Amino acid sequence: SQKIEQNSEALNIQEGKTATLTCNYTNYSPAYLQWYRQDPGRGPVFLLLIRENEKEKRKERLKVTFDTTLKQSLFHITASQPADSATYLCALVARYMTTDSWGKLQFGAGTQVVVTP
Amino acid sequence: ETGVTQTPRHLVMGMTNKKSLKCEQHLGHNAMYWYKQSAKKPLELMFVYNFKEQTENNSVPSRFSPECPNSSHLFLHLHTLQPEDSALYLCATGLSYLAGGRSYNEQFFGPGTRLTVL
Repeated sequence: SQKIEQNSEALNIQEGKTATLTCNYTNYSPAYLQWYRQDPGRGPVFLLLIRENEKEKRKERLKVTFDTTLKQSLFHITASQPADSATYLCALVARYMTTDSWGKLQFGAGTQVVVTP
Repeated sequence: ETGVTQTPRHLVMGMTNKKSLKCEQHLGHNAMYWYKQSAKKPLELMFVYNFKEQTENNSVPSRFSPECPNSSHLFLHLHTLQPEDSALYLCATGLSYLAGGRSYNEQFFGPGTRLTVL
């Protein structure tokens, strides 16, 4: 069966350090993968998209890598700040889904990040 | 603000009640979605509308009934729900674009309705 797995344990990290989150998937051939941030009581907010032919993507202090051989994406927050505390979700679209324009995302359960001063 | 609003933000209802959740978007996107989010579980896609036409019903029980009267509004009508239906219900819109011959989609979520079924 298809699965997207994210570490269910919260990641506690000290301010200024780099937080690294993993997203592993099985039985998918993703066309692209996305990362979202979700704060308590709010809906997810889109952060980054990385395509299957891309190895790395950066946006400000965020970096995403995508290894289709390992079936894994890593999400890094460098120089982390208490304001980065949230739950981070990965989501992917299977390659066969992209013929439609509406894009059916499959989400992981998310990993909570807690950044302490 | 993401341009997607949901009302009410919180709803408590009994199993025999009928209620509706409302979603409104100001982004002009063609796709709209309903998701269910339960604690510690992945978002579950419930329904998809593309240009006001329902294109996906993810084996959702008939006690959930979606309605999309126009491209800006999406409703989820609820009746005879069960306590296990208690969850955060999220509406999202989809922005699709083409790049390198492939279609990509980014989704914009509303704040959700926290539903409790007694």
